Amino acid sequence: DAGVTQSPTHLIKTRGQQVTLRCSPKSGHDTVSWYQQALGQGPQFIFQYYEEEERQRGNFPDRFSGHQFPNYSSELNVNALLLGDSALYLCASSSYLTGNTGELFFGEGSRLTVL
Amino acid sequence: GQQLNQSPQSMFIQEGEDVSMNCTSSSIFNTWLWYKQDPGEGPVLLIALYKAGELTSNGRLTAQFGITRKDSFLNISASIPSDVGIYFCAGQLGDRDDKIIFGKGTRLHILP
Repeated sequence: DAGVTQSPTHLIKTRGQQVTLRCSPKSGHDTVSWYQQALGQGPQFIFQYYEEEERQRGNFPDRFSGHQFPNYSSELNVNALLLGDSALYLCASSSYLTGNTGELFFGEGSRLTVL
Repeated sequence: GQQLNQSPQSMFIQEGEDVSMNCTSSSIFNTWLWYKQDPGEGPVLLIALYKAGELTSNGRLTAQFGITRKDSFLNISASIPSDVGIYFCAGQLGDRDDKIIFGKGTRLHILP
């Protein structure tokens, strides 16, 4: 049973470019949340997707957008990259109806470096 | 916005020692959670707490949901080398579907 998988694992971009990160949730999960983890910090909530809709959003600008597909996989897009966007981007999956409250299953993350 | 204040930021202990860390907030939380992150990995849930005053154990780990609902602590007894990592407190202000907010973490180091 595959856990949460993310791609790519590492990538380097330059300021102003755009990036797309991908996530496949754990089998049986239908909800995907994205977090940004800067070096030495805790994960910061970006947004959550369920039933292909953005259900909740954290304090991130509109440059951050996402999508959820019918197979529950998800993408995170960041436009007009800034140096401060350099971070580990974590995808977490959960089950809306059957999951235990608060239990997120995280992938290993995508390490984005913006030069 | 809502913040979770974790302390200490880092700890250096000897193998076999007990560890205590805590998390406080100015906001009332409905759920308190403790996650651990190993290098190169995503966080993993250790303990979930759902009621004020609740005390829950998971092996050598014990956590409590503060009576005021504004704090929680995590204790680790008889630490071993694999306990090394970053421990995050996290919580939900709203219902079971609310976003989960994380603290900045406590980094645990075990001296040889």
